[in-house]
Amino acid sequence: KQEVTQIPAALSVPEGENLVLNCSFTDSAIYNLQWFRQDPGKGLTSLLLIQSSQREQTSGRLNASLDKSSGRSTLYIAASQPGDSATYLCAVGLRRTGANNLFFGTGTRLTVIP
Amino acid sequence: GAGVSQTPSNKVTEKGKYVELRCDPISGHTALYWYRQSLGQGPEFLIYFQGTGAADDSGLPNDRFFAVRPEGSVSTLKIQRTERGDSAVYLCASSPVTGVTGELFFGEGSRLTVL
Repeated sequence: KQEVTQIPAALSVPEGENLVLNCSFTDSAIYNLQWFRQDPGKGLTSLLLIQSSQREQTSGRLNASLDKSSGRSTLYIAASQPGDSATYLCAVGLRRTGANNLFFGTGTRLTVIP
Repeated sequence: GAGVSQTPSNKVTEKGKYVELRCDPISGHTALYWYRQSLGQGPEFLIYFQGTGAADDSGLPNDRFFAVRPEGSVSTLKIQRTERGDSAVYLCASSPVTGVTGELFFGEGSRLTVL
């Protein structure tokens, strides 16, 4: 079974700082990897989707990288803002027959201090 | 609507009762997923629909859980004889493509509390 781990579980940084969130997975035969944002009491918002053939994706201040061979992905947030405070979840889709769902990590809870 | 809509947003029920949770996906999305999220955990897969049929129900924890999507749009997750361990946020997601190849769009979830 695919295991997805996110470190750290919680992170607190001052506004303006650049930061990196980490995600690791045990089964490297993935189809894609997605990073989501979840605000308290809300659903998930997709931030970036990286296909297995890609190494990174960028959207505004966000950059996500993927290293399949080592089973790792990072989400880089530049010039953090208080509005970035949320829980960030990574999820992988497996490349095998019957893989119709995503395996999620437990998330990193980010607090950006004004 | 523009996004995935889930009702009710909150449901409190007593142990042993029957519960229905509804999901209205983004118009035109053929793939629909149900996930369950317990406090402090990531979402866990329950069931996946492609059109009207359940293509993968391997995540349903037991036979008290059942889901339908009779017309290929709205889906209902049904839980019989609820137990306190069923308390969680039930998330629905839809996608315009099959399987895990595309981006998933999530609703805000239905928070179920079983007393």
